[in-house]
Amino acid sequence: GAGVSQSPSNKVTEKGKDVELRCDPISGHTALYWYRQRLGQGLEFLIYFQGNSAPDKSGLPSDRFSAERTGESVSTLTIQRTQQEDSAVYLCASSLGSDLLAGAPDFGPGTRLTVT
Amino acid sequence: LAKTTQPISMDSYEGQEVNITCSHNNIATNDYITWYQQFPSQGPRFIIQGYKTKVTNEVASLFIPADRKSSTLSLPRVSLSDTAVYYCLVRGRALTFGSGTRLQVQP
Repeated sequence: GAGVSQSPSNKVTEKGKDVELRCDPISGHTALYWYRQRLGQGLEFLIYFQGNSAPDKSGLPSDRFSAERTGESVSTLTIQRTQQEDSAVYLCASSLGSDLLAGAPDFGPGTRLTVT
Repeated sequence: LAKTTQPISMDSYEGQEVNITCSHNNIATNDYITWYQQFPSQGPRFIIQGYKTKVTNEVASLFIPADRKSSTLSLPRVSLSDTAVYYCLVRGRALTFGSGTRLQVQP
């Protein structure tokens, strides 16, 4: 079946502009995660959504970062007033639930963001 | 959140068995141990997950001692295509990745 999809695959923007990154989780997956991965580095947790519960925003690096999720479907990650240090691959993952027995999350291919 | 420690890099040759050990001293009772593989320019891919003892699938085996403070991912007879970064993480509600182990398989 269809996996997690993300768009755009690549985004180049000028410093100071706002960007929106989109994630389409696997149908029926109630849990959704966003991560950031800088070149050659590991994954940094950003935010986690689970159903209708309040999202866990503990990983958002600044108030320029925000994310929304419509029900149990699409999520958008917004970065306002982008800075060069925001350049990274932004990865989205989804899973059937937060219950550990729901299975490990599946990752999308990521959006490569370059801020010039 | 439980943190993990694993070697930064490992080298191997085709056909050898590779064992990557991860320590997670602060693992919680309800945490699972999960391993992902990541190739360049791709998202991480789930390999294997376990809670205790041994788990085996078509790709790898995972060994977890009784105290669960460490785990070992075993890749049998690696090939060049196994060259990747391998992440160990303990999975509670959130998913926290460490720095990963960069495995380089030589011919």
